[in-house]
Amino acid sequence: TQLLEQSPQFLSIQEGENLTVYCNSSSVFSSLQWYRQEPGEGPVLLVTVVTGGEVKKLKRLTFQFGDARKDSSLHITAAQPGDTGLYLCAGASNSGYALNFGKGTSLLVTP
Amino acid sequence: EAGVAQSPRYKIIEKRQSVAFWCNPISGHATLYWYQQILGQGPKLLIQFQNNGVVDDSQLPKDRFSAERLKGVDSTLKIQPAKLEDSAVYLCASSLDRLPSNEQFFGPGTRLTVL
Repeated sequence: TQLLEQSPQFLSIQEGENLTVYCNSSSVFSSLQWYRQEPGEGPVLLVTVVTGGEVKKLKRLTFQFGDARKDSSLHITAAQPGDTGLYLCAGASNSGYALNFGKGTSLLVTP
Repeated sequence: EAGVAQSPRYKIIEKRQSVAFWCNPISGHATLYWYQQILGQGPKLLIQFQNNGVVDDSQLPKDRFSAERLKGVDSTLKIQPAKLEDSAVYLCASSLDRLPSNEQFFGPGTRLTVL
């Protein structure tokens, strides 16, 4: 099993602040996905990054895949209370479709 | 397009009892996954089906957990007998199997509490 370490584990910030969460591994992934999970729901895909060094933007969210395809980051600009949730990174190996999930970063944005 | 359906949403049982969860994936999705998510952790893959065949069940505790996917559509996951440490959310997901960016669509999960 390829391990994904996410940091920080918990993050509590005020509305309008910026934040970055990290996803690191010693393994190379063919792709890496970021999901957001709200209480009582299943994870929902935010983005998939495939190419080393790739940067994708989704409104106020910026995702980056490391050059070596072992790590990724998620940066949120001007966080809003609606961004509150559990952010999970998941890596896909070259061998198939299964995903290995990190433990997640629990984000709380207060007004 | 209908999403992944799961039932029940909540289940409370006593240890040593049996329980079963049901999942109906998105129509046309060949691959179906069952995950276990313990509070405070990310989902852990229990078993992966492609159509009605098992692709990966290496992390399924086979002495007490079993799963089947009849006719390559719906799936059931059973625990018999349940232990206290089985308390978790059981998530079902399905995918279209498009590499390298294979998006998985998750159901809402079944929250199991074992007393």
